[in-house]
Amino acid sequence: NAGVMQNPRHLVRRRGQEARLRCSPMKGHSHVYWYRQLPEEGLKFMVYLQKENIIDESGMPKERFSAEFPKEGPSILRIQQVVRGDSAAYFCASQILADNEQFFGPGTRLTVL
Amino acid sequence: QQQVKQSPQSLIVQKGGISIINCAYENTAFDYFPWYQQFPGKGPALLIAIRPDVSEKKEGRFTISFNKSAKQFSLHIMDSQPGDSATYFCAASMAGTASKLTFGTGTRLQVTL
Repeated sequence: NAGVMQNPRHLVRRRGQEARLRCSPMKGHSHVYWYRQLPEEGLKFMVYLQKENIIDESGMPKERFSAEFPKEGPSILRIQQVVRGDSAAYFCASQILADNEQFFGPGTRLTVL
Repeated sequence: QQQVKQSPQSLIVQKGGISIINCAYENTAFDYFPWYQQFPGKGPALLIAIRPDVSEKKEGRFTISFNKSAKQFSLHIMDSQPGDSATYFCAASMAGTASKLTFGTGTRLQVTL
């Protein structure tokens, strides 16, 4: 059983470029969460998606950030016009049903130059 | 308030000793309290979790103590080993579709020989 997969593991972007982070949940999991971890800090919730639906985006910055979880394929977190403050580790977690354990992927470490 | 406060920030324990990490929460709607272990460069992994209908849960060397009236919970690691050296995060969430996790700021544990 493959765990949660994220790619790329490391991503370097220059200011103003776009970053696309992908998350493939565990087999049979239809709930996906994205969290951001700044250096030396805990994880902060960004967005919660089910297949084709955004359920809760209360933690997403209002501009430049978007997320999707299409019927087929991985969940995508998209950051447009990246700035240095976007440098962080981005983790996704998947869950088979609400109220069950969330399984985390290895993260994507984004560095903005 | 959605905060979860965690202490200490860092902890050094000798091999064989007991490691104790504490968390406090404010939102009485929280009803799921997991602890995650994270090694450098990896995603968080669920260690143990508790719901407020019990005051203690033990799994091997790891025990969660839960005090509902004080809104506090703690992780005890008995017979700490060098392999336990990692960052530990407490978290909390609510039942239902809003099961996003609110994380503490983390405790970096070092177990010395």
